[in-house]
Amino acid sequence: TQLLEQSPQFLSIQEGENLTVYCNSSSVFSSLQWYRQEPGEGPVLLVTVVTGGEVKKLKRLTFQFGDARKDSSLHITAAQPGDTGLYLCAGAYNDMRFGAGTRLTVKP
Amino acid sequence: NAGVTQTPKFQVLKTGQSMTLQCAQDMNHEYMSWYRQDPGMGLRLIHYSVGAGITDQGEVPNGYNVSRSTTEDFPLRLLSAAPSQTSVYFCASSYDGKDTQYFGPGTRLTVL
Repeated sequence: TQLLEQSPQFLSIQEGENLTVYCNSSSVFSSLQWYRQEPGEGPVLLVTVVTGGEVKKLKRLTFQFGDARKDSSLHITAAQPGDTGLYLCAGAYNDMRFGAGTRLTVKP
Repeated sequence: NAGVTQTPKFQVLKTGQSMTLQCAQDMNHEYMSWYRQDPGMGLRLIHYSVGAGITDQGEVPNGYNVSRSTTEDFPLRLLSAAPSQTSVYFCASSYDGKDTQYFGPGTRLTVL
């Protein structure tokens, strides 16, 4: 059983659509991070959320940290083919733990 | 800055062979870690280090050894490779372990 559960596992959409991916846990985290990973490369940090209820925006990406600091969501508006990749959430526990990821494909 | 470097990029081993995966960082980070990435399992922590001379086990440490003699280097040793260790291995470094993790490009290991 993973400490962080991500859903959906796979998502395939058309360019221009909106989407939301989720990261859930029964544990409380001091902070939560979202990474994007492209094939053949290591993950790269997108954002860190620290405060319960916090919302951060990065261009077309909106990240939210749950009030209880147990869950987070990533919303992408008007997805583009360049958004294709594996999206991973990671929580600061005793060490840094990662979810299994959501593999997003945006078709032109 | 090169960031985090890993060698080799690809490796094929036979069951029972040993090898060392190399990892180096030039950002003067105290915290370094090793993860393995398997389909549907995400990144699982193998071992980590909070500074030179200090290492600790993560989620899946069995079959792997580490040491940290310098701040820059954190090699991962497989003493007797098994097919279950076929995976992609990532090394990461960060300032304190809970902030931004900087990952290397990964080593794709196949054990036959």
